[in-house]
Amino acid sequence: AQSVTQLDSHVSVSEGTPVLLRCNYSSSYSPSLFWYVQHPNKGLQLLLKYTSAATLVKGINGFEAEFKKSETSFHLTKPSAHMSDAAEYFCVVSTPSGGSYIPTFGRGTSLIVHP
Amino acid sequence: DAGITQSPRYKITETGRQVTLMCHQTWSHSYMFWYRQDLGHGLRLIYYSAAADITDKGEVPDGYVVSRSKTENFPLTLESATRSQTSVYFCASSPGQGLVGGELFFGEGSRLTVL
Repeated sequence: AQSVTQLDSHVSVSEGTPVLLRCNYSSSYSPSLFWYVQHPNKGLQLLLKYTSAATLVKGINGFEAEFKKSETSFHLTKPSAHMSDAAEYFCVVSTPSGGSYIPTFGRGTSLIVHP
Repeated sequence: DAGITQSPRYKITETGRQVTLMCHQTWSHSYMFWYRQDLGHGLRLIYYSAAADITDKGEVPDGYVVSRSKTENFPLTLESATRSQTSVYFCASSPGQGLVGGELFFGEGSRLTVL
């Protein structure tokens, strides 16, 4: 069985300050991990992914995430928030099930960016 | 244009009626998925398909039916709609080599209201 917990339902930051969105996962196997972003009334877009290569993963728009197996975490960070970063963010874990990898989504974290 | 398209984007129906949401992708991806998105629940998997004529249940399949006679199409049918099925539905596809390291490509979503 696999699960993912996003520790904050809402995160509020000021423009120009760092962003930290927290994600913990549970998996019986070596997982693939993803972060997706959803802007209002839009579909989801991949930010970055971890698939057992480098533990520090760089994504689009200055985001990055670090896979920490000992802490079962995959937190998303960005050094300096921009107004356009305001969106819903989803952490996703994917582990094998019957020959396929079935993704499980966290409940999402809403990032609010203040001017 | 290449991509994944959902139709209709918005639908209002009544309890007990049959509704079909369409999903079409132009990449020839093997895997296709249907998710529903509800406040506080993130995205929950309804059904998925690994290839044409192969479908399997996800986390919340009750009340839904899928088919996949062609690789590019993956319609979702609510045979007798209930108010609890009011939601935003997302279709996604993924490359044929499997989900390991694979990105999910999402449609724009279909907002369904059941009165």
